[in-house]
Amino acid sequence: DVKVTQSSRYLVKRTGEKVFLECVQDMDHENMFWYRQDPGLGLRLIYFSYDVKMKEKGDIPEGYSVSREKKERFSLILESASTNQTSMYLCASSFVGGTYEQYFGPGTRLTVT
Amino acid sequence: DQQVKQNSPSLSVQEGRISILNCDYTNSMFDYFLWYKKYPAEGPTFLISISSIKDKNEDGRFTVFLNKSAKHLSLHIVPSQPGDSAVYFCAASARRTSGGYQKVTFGTGTKLQVIP
Repeated sequence: DVKVTQSSRYLVKRTGEKVFLECVQDMDHENMFWYRQDPGLGLRLIYFSYDVKMKEKGDIPEGYSVSREKKERFSLILESASTNQTSMYLCASSFVGGTYEQYFGPGTRLTVT
Repeated sequence: DQQVKQNSPSLSVQEGRISILNCDYTNSMFDYFLWYKKYPAEGPTFLISISSIKDKNEDGRFTVFLNKSAKHLSLHIVPSQPGDSAVYFCAASARRTSGGYQKVTFGTGTKLQVIP
């Protein structure tokens, strides 16, 4: 079974703090993704990575950066957290050439106060 | 620009009856469609998919129908069970002409409640 784990289930941070969200997958997948889920907006892609040290912006990259130093690990960084970044953050992975199916982690509920 | 739309935010169905969840898309380049199910406090899990070369795919109680001319797909759950109560996301993907990653675009979700 594919397993995607996220470093925290719940996180509370203050405005202006630097926030790191980490994601690890154990299936040797090339692709990894960060989404945020908000009511009425569905899942929106923040960034994705198709290989180590490779990344591309998704639909809403502003205020975020990412890091992929190892194939199994993909980190999302909020350089200076703001209240509008309060959301559910979901990490996913998939392999190249597959049927687009992505495997998701359990999510991190981030609250920025 | 919402390329994948789920116009019904919620749906209630009696146990044993059919649940029909609908999804519309605007991008004619989409060639693969998926449905995910999401329980509270969990990540979405893949449910069923369909390629644009087909118009129907069935897996147990779940059937997905694709109408390319109408740019519409639907998920049928028969019979519905209380454990099916979850948020269902429709998703679509278009293969990049340059190869490599195929972006998946998700809809906004429909919350299904199956009443015992």
